[in-house]
Amino acid sequence: NAGVTQTPKFQVLKTGQSMTLQCAQDMNHNSMYWYRQDPGMGLRLIYYSASEGTTDKGEVPNGYNVSRLNKREFSLRLESAAPSQTSVYFCASSEVGGANTGELFFGEGSRLTVL
Amino acid sequence: GENVEQHPSTLSVQEGDSAVIKCTYSDSASNYFPWYKQELGKRPQLIIDIRSNVGEKKDQRIAVTLNKTAKHFSLHITETQPEDSAVYFCAASMRRTGRRALTFGSGTRLQVQP
Repeated sequence: NAGVTQTPKFQVLKTGQSMTLQCAQDMNHNSMYWYRQDPGMGLRLIYYSASEGTTDKGEVPNGYNVSRLNKREFSLRLESAAPSQTSVYFCASSEVGGANTGELFFGEGSRLTVL
Repeated sequence: GENVEQHPSTLSVQEGDSAVIKCTYSDSASNYFPWYKQELGKRPQLIIDIRSNVGEKKDQRIAVTLNKTAKHFSLHITETQPEDSAVYFCAASMRRTGRRALTFGSGTRLQVQP
């Protein structure tokens, strides 16, 4: 039971390059999220998927796209990377509803540097 | 949308002292308020949470209080230990297009001096 797994852990891009961050969870959670973490700014929501087949914008969606491939997988794509997208990206999942708390389970993070 | 403000940004205490971190939120419809701890280089992990129908919740040395009228909630850590040193994030649920996600505060770096 690996929990939430995201790849790659580290990536260096040049401005204008594209890349996809992959995320998979094995906890059978319905909801998945992508956050970015920057110094002094906490965790900011980029996109989330409340359930398979749905995606919604978060606080900072510009420059990103997402795909909820199936219940397990939620990918984040940078079509044309910019230095402002240098950050640590966290994928998370949760189960909500009924007696469930909605606790977020995070992956280990992906450190992205855009030169 | 929801806005969560967190204070202080850094906090240094002596081992054994108490630490208090405060957050305010803007959306009166928010009803779930978790706290996450992030150790250096690690992922955030839930340490305690509270729902809007409860005013206080305690788990050993940590407690959270909620004042819905004033729209603020606080984390209290008693008898602090060096292993409590970490960044702590508060969060509040937000609703967008009928679906919920968490908005986080900017974090508090807690340093417990031995």
